Amino acid sequence: QQQVKQSPQSLIVQKGGISIINCAYENTAFDYFPWYQQFPGKGPALLIAIRPDVSEKKEGRFTISFNKSAKQFSLHIMDSQPGDSATYFCAASIRDTGFQKLVFGTGTRLLVSP
Amino acid sequence: DAGVIQSPRHEVTEMGQEVTLRCKPISGHNSLFWYRQTMMRGLELLIYFNNNVPIDDSGMPEDRFSAKMPNASFSTLKIQPSEPRDSAVYFCASSETGYEQYFGPGTRLTVT
Repeated sequence: QQQVKQSPQSLIVQKGGISIINCAYENTAFDYFPWYQQFPGKGPALLIAIRPDVSEKKEGRFTISFNKSAKQFSLHIMDSQPGDSATYFCAASIRDTGFQKLVFGTGTRLLVSP
Repeated sequence: DAGVIQSPRHEVTEMGQEVTLRCKPISGHNSLFWYRQTMMRGLELLIYFNNNVPIDDSGMPEDRFSAKMPNASFSTLKIQPSEPRDSAVYFCASSETGYEQYFGPGTRLTVT
């Protein structure tokens, strides 16, 4: 099953708070899990990514937590700022017909209130 | 270093017309992906190329859609004839490894 389920659909967080977005998958053949950030009128931009042999990866205020047994991963944005307001997509990479391709979640629209 | 370049950024056309979207991938990247983004369906992979060869076009919605990559620095996505339901934002992305994909700014297509 090549699907990635993402929740919530939208999220409002106060400035300084923690934003948490969750994703789940079924196919254990996925081997790379990136998160993309998209601002209105722009293309998705790679934010942070993790491989399934690691349980956590942190880059600045952004952290991915990965639970291989539960087939879930999440993005945590610490000290959320109004500039973080964007749509976030989780994705999973799978080898298909000999090459890697990404399967995207449905997106989470984050609004950080001042 | 230039990122992925797409043109035009906006396209408005009438139903039945031919539309051609263009993409220049990042130099050195050997994989190129075309996506369509709509509110209803999210980000959909339409087709992807590796070393200029189409690998999987199972996401192309209909025969009205076609894509080519004549060389490593240029790809086109063509819709002929266009229909109002084709209105969406079309993204091109490129990758060196197949894992990290870098997206262009997109082409917003409106078919009236």
